[in-house]
Amino acid sequence: QSVLTQPASVSGSPGQSITISCTGTTSDVGGYDYVSWYQQYPGRTPKLVIYDVSDRPSGVPDRFSGSKSGNTASLTISGLQAEDEADYHCASYTSSHSLVFGGGTKLTVL
Amino acid sequence: QPQLQESGPGLVKPSETLSLTCAVSRYPISNGYYWAWIRQPPGKGLEWIGSIYHSGSVYHNPSLKSRVTMSVDTSQNHVSLKMTSVTVADTAMYYCARQTRVIPIWFDPWGQGTQVTVSS
Repeated sequence: QSVLTQPASVSGSPGQSITISCTGTTSDVGGYDYVSWYQQYPGRTPKLVIYDVSDRPSGVPDRFSGSKSGNTASLTISGLQAEDEADYHCASYTSSHSLVFGGGTKLTVL
Repeated sequence: QPQLQESGPGLVKPSETLSLTCAVSRYPISNGYYWAWIRQPPGKGLEWIGSIYHSGSVYHNPSLKSRVTMSVDTSQNHVSLKMTSVTVADTAMYYCARQTRVIPIWFDPWGQGTQVTVSS
């Protein structure tokens, strides 16, 4: 069982916006601005798309954005495209000087 | 960007020790950064195993710490992972990745991963 809670699946139509939530506790998500998000296509390696809650690595489209409120972090993808269909994993630093992941969310572009 | 390539035995018997290596190219490990191990059981989410610096300083996942040993070989420019007393629950794709910050907060880039199956 993953420490951070994500919805198993979300879906949206091309052009729409979707948001994936990642809920933890005051010992992880709520306690630090160190949430990251990874995109993973089936059978492929995870790719960092958001770090430090809302920063984007070079090369990641600005359609991807991150935020946090209390113990819940969110990844929003605007202007949804077919190529965004993938699994998305959140992660957070913890008070135990470790890192925990969520269970992952499957995004389907309808 | 450094390139990372994991390698391992593929199949390990229950109760035995799993040994994996992550070869790093295009970047001397001795120059810095932590190097992390992360795994993903089939059809499941990711799990951070631990991270190691070239000096040997380590961070561990508390739930795996008793079974995990990480090491660095700067002459071969690779990092290694050993996990003892494996069970079927350790069956997973194992990845190594660069950890740019001093604390384990995000990883980039990742290697392609190596599949490990625990079975008799």
